[in-house]
Amino acid sequence: AQTVTQSQPEMSVQEAETVTLSCTYDTSENNYYLFWYKQPPSRQMILVIRQEAYKQQNATENRFSVNFQKAAKSFSLKISDSQLGDTAMYFCAFIIFNDYKLSFGAGTTVTVRA
Amino acid sequence: NAGVTQTPKFQVLKTGQSMTLQCAQDMNHNSMYWYRQDPGMGLRLIYYSASEGTTDKGEVPNGYNVSRLNKREFSLRLESAAPSQTSVYFCASTGLDRSGSNQPQHFGDGTRLSIL
Repeated sequence: AQTVTQSQPEMSVQEAETVTLSCTYDTSENNYYLFWYKQPPSRQMILVIRQEAYKQQNATENRFSVNFQKAAKSFSLKISDSQLGDTAMYFCAFIIFNDYKLSFGAGTTVTVRA
Repeated sequence: NAGVTQTPKFQVLKTGQSMTLQCAQDMNHNSMYWYRQDPGMGLRLIYYSASEGTTDKGEVPNGYNVSRLNKREFSLRLESAAPSQTSVYFCASTGLDRSGSNQPQHFGDGTRLSIL
């Protein structure tokens, strides 16, 4: 079974600053995908960024970027120039290539302060 | 384009009552999923349907049943609700990308279910 660990239950950041969320996972598979989802107070689950394990280049999406360290099984999310609208719970998730079961971490609540 | 639609959005039940949560997607996705979200535990997979006509258990299937009614619809049923099933329930769907792997899952807005 795959496990995903988010060790930071809560984080707070000043508007316009940078915050980094950690995620580690455990798998014996070599080919898989990693995701970060955002869940604002509205409860929607919104895909933030996706990383394919076979790609060495870290994924970026506007102000969001990841640091993917395959050997260390680490997948951190960096939010640059934080905005009030970034306040949300962030979930790291993992799925094996061609599988159907998406495994989630417990989530990190990010609060952006004005 | 509605995406994934869940009904109802909120529901309160008494212990022992039955309830069906409905989910429909309009993206022609093959696979559909039901999750529950509890504080401090992220989302946990209850059941999924890889394709029309198939269903499989996820991580926490006990106390639930599902029906893949057609390609668009995937329902979750609680036959005899228990307080431990108080949770937020999410439906999701996904299709295949060019490599044949599942695309990222699209989620509905969730159903908040309280069982007294």
